[in-house]
Amino acid sequence: AQKITQTQPGMFVQEKEAVTLDCTYDTSDQSYGLFWYKQPSSGEMIFLIYQGSYDEQNATEGRYSLNFQKARKSANLVISASQLGDSAMYFCAMREGRGTSYDKVIFGPGTSLSVIP
Amino acid sequence: EAGVAQSPRYKIIEKRQSVAFWCNPISGHATLYWYQQILGQGPKLLIQFQNNGVVDDSQLPKDRFSAERLKGVDSTLKIQPAKLEDSAVYLCASSFPRAHEQYFGPGTRLTVT
Repeated sequence: AQKITQTQPGMFVQEKEAVTLDCTYDTSDQSYGLFWYKQPSSGEMIFLIYQGSYDEQNATEGRYSLNFQKARKSANLVISASQLGDSAMYFCAMREGRGTSYDKVIFGPGTSLSVIP
Repeated sequence: EAGVAQSPRYKIIEKRQSVAFWCNPISGHATLYWYQQILGQGPKLLIQFQNNGVVDDSQLPKDRFSAERLKGVDSTLKIQPAKLEDSAVYLCASSFPRAHEQYFGPGTRLTVT
């Protein structure tokens, strides 16, 4: 069963607008973590933001924020004030476990974001 | 601080040939990961090392793939013999133990013809 679902294969957003990328996950663990990574056309994966399952507040990193709704098992990424350099693939990922080196990270299929000038 | 290094960046081989990829993680990172990313998909973990020990290799096709991390630093991933479906980008990542963030290398794009 797919553990990470990203239902938007492709998204378009106008420059300077905000955009939300959807992510839902499936786990029976109480302790887990959720990540978002960006992959530009150059291919390198870039860490954006992390949310732990016990974190009470939504994570924020600059223009990135994670809208964490635990009951709905969703962890949407919000990018504010989109820039042309935000055009890339975005992957949602989940770590199941207690935050040790033995945890496995599972990636979703990704969403392609294109920022229009 | 130097990032995760990988080589080669590109490789084209014929099916049934063998190939090896090299990864040098960030200094001090005890955990090292190899991922396979097929075009249009998210990365899939092949193998995870903690120092020079294997933590998880449940998705590594062991009949043709092998990996080692001698001395707990550099790592090599080998495919022998290669199949057409092995065409993908092979990503190496490293992290501190229990750290949230993984640092990825630029990847090796493998094409099997």
